[in-house]
Amino acid sequence: AQRVTQPEKLLSVFKGAPVELKCNYSYSGSPELFWYVQYSRQRLQLLLRHISRESIKGFTADLNKGETSFHLKKPFAQEEDSAMYYCALSGIGTDKLIFGTGTRLQVFP
Amino acid sequence: EAEVAQSPRYKITEKSQAVAFWCDPISGHATLYWYRQILGQGPELLVQFQDESVVDDSQLPKDRFSAERLKGVDSTLKIQPAELGDSAMYLCASNNQGNTGELFFGEGSRLTVL
Repeated sequence: AQRVTQPEKLLSVFKGAPVELKCNYSYSGSPELFWYVQYSRQRLQLLLRHISRESIKGFTADLNKGETSFHLKKPFAQEEDSAMYYCALSGIGTDKLIFGTGTRLQVFP
Repeated sequence: EAEVAQSPRYKITEKSQAVAFWCDPISGHATLYWYRQILGQGPELLVQFQDESVVDDSQLPKDRFSAERLKGVDSTLKIQPAELGDSAMYLCASNNQGNTGELFFGEGSRLTVL
């Protein structure tokens, strides 16, 4: 079965602390993995995708096929990182996204 | 900057009534999606269009839900009759063919069924 699991509903950290939002997936094949973010009162938007292998707003995510994980990391959290984060996957060559249940990140000053 | 437009933003209805949601994707985006997001969960795909054709409606409850994109541009999602369990955020998204994975979402239509 195709599934994305985000085990934490809420993650609270203080400004400057490291952040790791966990994402595990189940997929028969080679998926493409994404992180989407929704800031307060804004639309859901793409943060980063694994094939780009880039850092966006200081966030990075490495696809670990052995552990079927795609954790999102940032070394020093900022207050403006507070948002809802969704991990998602799609099959190679398809646009159908399967989302996890999301993790709310709260960064306190 | 071009954005996906949705209306209405909020809809309150009684069960057994009919409701409809409208979506206007970003100009030139051939692929349009309707997602449903129940509180506390991630978005779930209901239907995907490529131009005016349905590509995937495997998760659409076809006994009460219908979706159309007659001219391959804007789209309407209808629920008739609405049930209590349909209370959710209905999200429309579009993307540019070839740009796999980057969906552009609308603000959503929040439905409350009483």
